[in-house]
Amino acid sequence: DARVTQTPRHKVTEMGQEVTMRCQPILGHNTVFWYRQTMMQGLELLAYFRNRAPLDDSGMPKDRFSAEMPDATLATLKIQPSEPRDSAVYFCASGLGSPDPGIKGEAFFGQGTRLTVV
Amino acid sequence: SQQGEEDPQALSIQEGENATMNCSYKTSINNLQWYRQNSGRGLVHLILIRSNEREKHSGRLRVTLDTSKKSSSLLITASRAADTASYFCATDATSFYNTDKLIFGTGTRLQVFP
Repeated sequence: DARVTQTPRHKVTEMGQEVTMRCQPILGHNTVFWYRQTMMQGLELLAYFRNRAPLDDSGMPKDRFSAEMPDATLATLKIQPSEPRDSAVYFCASGLGSPDPGIKGEAFFGQGTRLTVV
Repeated sequence: SQQGEEDPQALSIQEGENATMNCSYKTSINNLQWYRQNSGRGLVHLILIRSNEREKHSGRLRVTLDTSKKSSSLLITASRAADTASYFCATDATSFYNTDKLIFGTGTRLQVFP
């Protein structure tokens, strides 16, 4: 049963601390997304990768956020230093990006990391 | 920034009734997708409609797309209590790859009463 795995599921940290969220995309998927969900802003796209290369990270605050894919089985999102306004649920999703219109273009989501910064 | 706006923001209906949710978006798209999110869970893909399609069906779901009006609708027929969830549209504005820059709308919270 292929699925996107995110760790940790919950994280409570103090302001100023570094936070690292991890995501294992579905094997064989070449596109990975990071989203942030809050009541006020809804689902915001922070960054997305294809074949481990960042294609767009314009939605990410560059001064404190960074996203990487050290290898095809791991994507990370780091916040340093964290702030209370970063409290949100962070979702990772993966999909198979292809120019072939016969390939279904859906994204598969993980269960999310609920981050609380106090 | 969000591409799509869903309407209504919240919808309450009785089991057996149909539920219709609308999505409007701003720029030209390659495809439009609908997702469902149960409380506290990740999003689950429901259906994808390409820009050259006007209507698509999947089980009790019917999606329409009007690119001239930049709008889409999701109809859930014969709703069940288990359909209670938030529903989001997502647009892919790129022209080459599918599963590309997916931008989500604001969502519709659907409550189906038994």
